Amino acid sequence: KAGVTQTPRYLIKTRGQQVTLSCSPISGHRSVSWYQQTPGQGLQFLFEYFSETQRNKGNFPGRFSGRQFSNSRSEMNVSTLELGDSALYLCASSLFTGGREIGFFGPGTRLTVL
Amino acid sequence: GQNIDQPTEMTATEGAIVQINCTYQTSGFNGLFWYQQHAGEAPTFLSYNVLDGLEEKGRFSSFLSRSKGYSYLLLKELQMKDSASYLCAVGDSNYQLIWGAGTKLIIKP
Repeated sequence: KAGVTQTPRYLIKTRGQQVTLSCSPISGHRSVSWYQQTPGQGLQFLFEYFSETQRNKGNFPGRFSGRQFSNSRSEMNVSTLELGDSALYLCASSLFTGGREIGFFGPGTRLTVL
Repeated sequence: GQNIDQPTEMTATEGAIVQINCTYQTSGFNGLFWYQQHAGEAPTFLSYNVLDGLEEKGRFSSFLSRSKGYSYLLLKELQMKDSASYLCAVGDSNYQLIWGAGTKLIIKP
């Protein structure tokens, strides 16, 4: 069974631009969560989608948005990029069990904002 | 607010034992997870505790005390490949994972 895939793996953008990241979960997994990881802050939760609906949202500004498609693939969009948005963006998929949701992470997208 | 605390960095010797602590304060509790993350790679699942006590899995064990809001990850017979960051995460009342900042474990020969 293929793991979680994320594209692109690396991205360089400049301030003010926007970016779209993609995540394909493990086949059969309907829950996709997005995280931002920086050296100082650790893993910060962005949002979670389940069956095309945003189920939970973290404390990030409205510039960060996402969506999920009917095939469970998810995209994350960041508009008006800021230098502080430079980070590793991780996506995790899990099989909703109503409790014990173990997330399997993708390799991440390394975003650098210049 | 919700908070997960773990030491920033620890150093241990190859072949020894190390214990990485995690304390938490969350709204609700639906399990505690430990993940391992090697530099430049994605986190990988290590263990899950929802009941008090010790869960052993090979060289790794994880302990939970819900009344104390405390967990630890115990690594025995340390190997150089165990050098990594170890992340503690707690499922809150919404089944959402709240993450600690991670503990960087350095193994010396």
